[in-house]
Amino acid sequence: SSELTQDPTVSVALGQTVTITCQGDALEKYYASWYQQKPGQAPVLVLYGKTNRPAGSPDRFSGSRSGNTAFLTISGAQAEDEADYYCNCRDSSGSPPVYDFGPGTKVFVL
Amino acid sequence: EVQLVQSGAEVKKPGESLKISCQGSGYIFSNSWITWVRQLPGKGLEWMGRIDPSDSYTNYSPSFQGHVTMSTDKSISTAYLQWTALKASDTAIYYCAKNAVDGSGNYFLDSWGQGTVVTVSS
Repeated sequence: SSELTQDPTVSVALGQTVTITCQGDALEKYYASWYQQKPGQAPVLVLYGKTNRPAGSPDRFSGSRSGNTAFLTISGAQAEDEADYYCNCRDSSGSPPVYDFGPGTKVFVL
Repeated sequence: EVQLVQSGAEVKKPGESLKISCQGSGYIFSNSWITWVRQLPGKGLEWMGRIDPSDSYTNYSPSFQGHVTMSTDKSISTAYLQWTALKASDTAIYYCAKNAVDGSGNYFLDSWGQGTVVTVSS
């Protein structure tokens, strides 16, 4: 089972801001990466490191971290942001490293 | 443009063997690890493990160690995931993803294959 936890669902009104959380001990030491998955599609990287966006990821996606919690914020949510979001982070224990995914958060844009 | 193209859907019977593939293009295949990710029907993503194409070093999740084998053929820029005896519980979508590391050592998966649907049923 995952050592990362996420809220199962969150809702946001169109154009408003929503923050998705990912909790786990490893996040005190390592940054999470975040992936968006729409139904029937492969996941897509939206954020990594401290708050780095890959080419093509809208600037309304941003990230932060506090203690053992990582945050993905969508500022001005759009209809196309409705999707599942997964965090991924290295397991804090052991070598070689294992990288857990969180259970995912389904974002509804109302 | 970086692309990972996976092999097509498979329907197998319990106990059968299977090898699925993931071919990379648009980058130097040997320079980036390949991670495999499982997604059970209607469920979340699971990190299975990763392989370094330069030397075939593997790093499995304990949950998958001994159940699957990862390999690569860098001459054709292809990674493989194989089973010797499938179970119904292996029914899932399997994704390959290219690993990347930024200047601060942060690991992430920057390109994904389209997924291979594996159905195991008698």
